[in-house]
Amino acid sequence: QVQLQESGPGLVKPSGTLSLTCAVSGGSISSSNWWSWVRQPPGKRLEWIGEIYNSGSTNYNPSLRSRVTISVDKSKNQFSLKLSSVTAADTAVYYCARVLGLLGPFDYWGQGTLVTVSS
Amino acid sequence: ESVLTQSPGTLSLSPGERATLSCRASQSVSSSFLAWYQQKPGQAPRLLIYGASSRATGIPDRFSGSGSGTDFTLTISRLEPEDFAVYYCQQYGSSPRTFGQGTKVEIK
Repeated sequence: QVQLQESGPGLVKPSGTLSLTCAVSGGSISSSNWWSWVRQPPGKRLEWIGEIYNSGSTNYNPSLRSRVTISVDKSKNQFSLKLSSVTAADTAVYYCARVLGLLGPFDYWGQGTLVTVSS
Repeated sequence: ESVLTQSPGTLSLSPGERATLSCRASQSVSSSFLAWYQQKPGQAPRLLIYGASSRATGIPDRFSGSGSGTDFTLTISRLEPEDFAVYYCQQYGSSPRTFGQGTKVEIK
C-alpha cells in the first residue's frame, strides 16, 4: 500500500517561498508514475499545481509556472514543491498525490497540509 | 484549459435514495479521461471512478460512472450513510489537469 506524507512549515510570510516535501513509502518513486502536487484553497475547488517523473521531467500549471519548482530526490524516495513570491491567495491545503500510470487520475493522496500565508 | 462545471451544487437526499451528479466540460475530454473523487471533511479526496466508468479498487458497485465527450454522470444507486460527502470530477486528458467545483451530497 503506497503512502504519501507531506511535511513543511504551516506558516509562510508574504513574498516568501513555500517549501513542502512529500515522502513516499510502500512503493518506489522510481516506478512508472508521475508524482503531483494539488492544492485546495479554503472553500474552493482543487487546483493542480504540477507533476514530476523520476527522470526529473516536469509539467506545471501555466497559471503558476513562473513561481513553481518541483524536484525529486530518488535516494530519499521523496519529491518537493517550492512556490515563490507567495501571497494570501496561496493559502490552501496542499496535497501530494500519485498519478495512476503515465496518464491517469490521482490514485494515492497524502493527508494534506495547511499552509497559511500571513505576516 | 478545460473548465468543468458540476451540477447541482448541493443534493439533499435520504439514505437509500439514488443520487445523480453531473459534470460538464467546456471542451471534449479526450479518451474519456474523466475521474470522480469523494472527499469528506478533513480528508484527502478518494478516487472512485476513472476512465469515465471504471471503478477504482475497493469501490462498491453502487457507484457507477457514465458519459463521454463533454457530459459525464456519477450515479450512486442507493445512498449509504457513509456516502454523504462532496464529490469532484476531474479531467486528465489535457494539460492542465482540472477539477469541477464539487457537488455536496447532504442528508435530507
